[in-house]
Amino acid sequence: GESVGLHLPTLSVQEGDNSIINCAYSNSASDYFIWYKQESGKGPQFIIDIRSNMDKRQGQRVTVLLNKTVKHLSLQIAATQPGDSAVYFCAEIYTGTASKLTFGTGTRLQVML
Amino acid sequence: SQTIHQWPATLVQPVGSPLSLECTVEGTSNPNLYWYRQAAGRGLQLLFYSVGIGQISSEVPQNLSASRPQDRQFILSSKKLLLSDSGFYLCAWSALSGRGTDTQYFGPGTRLTVL
Repeated sequence: GESVGLHLPTLSVQEGDNSIINCAYSNSASDYFIWYKQESGKGPQFIIDIRSNMDKRQGQRVTVLLNKTVKHLSLQIAATQPGDSAVYFCAEIYTGTASKLTFGTGTRLQVML
Repeated sequence: SQTIHQWPATLVQPVGSPLSLECTVEGTSNPNLYWYRQAAGRGLQLLFYSVGIGQISSEVPQNLSASRPQDRQFILSSKKLLLSDSGFYLCAWSALSGRGTDTQYFGPGTRLTVL
């Protein structure tokens, strides 16, 4: 089946630096992508989304970039803070009756003080 | 605003015992509802989804079942738990728009350990 995966399982960054988390997807028909943040023992928390008709979207300290040519998605976090430490998942959605998400395996972001 | 609740937060059950996990959503009507399982250090696997009362779709064959007795209530059950049923169970909801492009919002999860 189609899959969504992440290039790096763990990313360590210094506090204050920018973080970039990458994701590859394989279903060229997917038209909606989401980034989630999951802290230990908690449910995933929505961070930012992007539709396939866009290539960039910005939120507060976060930016998502979509490159449909190479089926690549990235999440950029500016001025990374200790509270950003978590596992980050990208997910793609198949259009249909229900919004069925396909998740990647996740990248753990460790922020060093 | 919408909120999603799950209980219990943690559960330890012996092999062969029954299971009932409950999920409720507040602040929205007619949502899509989902059950996921997450193994330690892994991604999320979709187990069931529902687009309405009594309407359940199963994504993978397993020892579990789901029911939706009310619009904003979603229940995950098993008659006899297996060791492999251990995991972190997450409920999620999304707006029922039919566009297939609606964000899913997750509950706090239930940690199930089968011994």
